[in-house]
Amino acid sequence: QLVESGGGLVKPGGSLRLSCAASGFTFSNAWMSWVRQAPGKGLEWVGRVKSENNGGTTDYAAPVKGRFTISRDDSRNMVYLQMNSLKTEDTALYYCTNLGKVPWGQGTLVTVSS
Amino acid sequence: DIQMTQSPSSLSASVGDRVTITCRASQSIATYLNWYWQKPGKPPKLLIYAASSLQSGVPSRFSGSGSGTDFTLTISRLQPEDFATYYCQQSYNTPITFGQGTRLEI
Repeated sequence: QLVESGGGLVKPGGSLRLSCAASGFTFSNAWMSWVRQAPGKGLEWVGRVKSENNGGTTDYAAPVKGRFTISRDDSRNMVYLQMNSLKTEDTALYYCTNLGKVPWGQGTLVTVSS
Repeated sequence: DIQMTQSPSSLSASVGDRVTITCRASQSIATYLNWYWQKPGKPPKLLIYAASSLQSGVPSRFSGSGSGTDFTLTISRLQPEDFATYYCQQSYNTPITFGQGTRLEI
């Protein structure tokens, strides 16, 4: 399963770090993505980190590139999303997922507002 | 970026109906296509992966087909629990993209 945490209320320009704890599958082999969903809107891919066996490289969606950073800690079965220079349009429910057979978690809500 | 376009955006149907949702990619994505459903207040759940493979535990009334640019999700006999929003998603390359969603209503 996947359990996200770390969401909350933050002012524009602020930072937040989301965490995702994984269990029940071989995490070290998984390519992990973050996907967000603004209130009442559809799903938007934020970015991905590949497995270390595939270089552990990251890719990001254009709206967050340069502001967000995804990392992983295979020793702890954790994936992280560091969000800097937050904007009001980053307000959303954030999910971590392998976009595959592992069930999605409940997500963690990030609200960017003054 | 690969654009994923679903049609229709919303659909009204009745229990027992056969329903088809389509998803079109702006360029070929082979069969790198997943389908999800999402109910209000819940996370998305994987229905179909690799365009036509049924995820474990998903009822057999769901089926997926297609390759290249055109894909379909078919529900053979709608059940009350099937009323939800459906999304397609391509993983052929990054950025990974989702369709805008199809809201299936009674």
